[in-house]
Amino acid sequence: QVQLQESGPGLVKPSQTLSLTCTVSGGSISSGSYYWSWIRQPAGKGLEWIGRIYTSGSTNYNPSLKSRVTISVDTSKNQFSLKLSSVTAADTAVYYCARDQASWGQGTLVTVSS
Amino acid sequence: SYELTQPPSVSVSPGQTARITCSADALPKQYAYWYQQKPGQAPVLVIYKDSERPSGIPERFSGSSSGTTVTLTISGVQAEDEADYYCQSADSSGTHVVFGGGTKLTVL
Repeated sequence: QVQLQESGPGLVKPSQTLSLTCTVSGGSISSGSYYWSWIRQPAGKGLEWIGRIYTSGSTNYNPSLKSRVTISVDTSKNQFSLKLSSVTAADTAVYYCARDQASWGQGTLVTVSS
Repeated sequence: SYELTQPPSVSVSPGQTARITCSADALPKQYAYWYQQKPGQAPVLVIYKDSERPSGIPERFSGSSSGTTVTLTISGVQAEDEADYYCQSADSSGTHVVFGGGTKLTVL
């Protein structure tokens, strides 16, 4: 069964770039036909889809975040990554990675603060 | 922007049936998915493709679709079902994923 684990800095300064990695185990990120996604959840609020990358490499992003988001895959490390630029306090949230709908990581808290 | 509309809260007594709705224009064209989220935990998929139940999910969870509304039904609600529930789907092009605002299910 595939497992996903988010990693990255827990604290990012305003205006900097948030960078997170999702490590996939129990299966190859380059096999099959899957969407690899990032989702976030501010404390006490709902889920927000950030974007996804397909096995082929094509990407889709939330229109409200598109100008600041990049999702990429590193098949050699069996990982995919999220970069969110020009962050503000509003980007403080628990960030989840997921494969399609069924498999999610446990989430990682990222706080934007000076 | 495209939105999925859910009621903020639903309350039921143990043993009763809870129904949580999710409405949006593109739901006749795009599948809906339902997640259960308990405090401090990642969401868990409980229904996929409108009405399919993943392995390991109790039979009391079911999903249905009618026009622009999909419904998550929990029959014989148990105390452990108290959680936030989110629907998820995509816009009419299928390009952008969206979540509903979430429904807090309270078991009285």
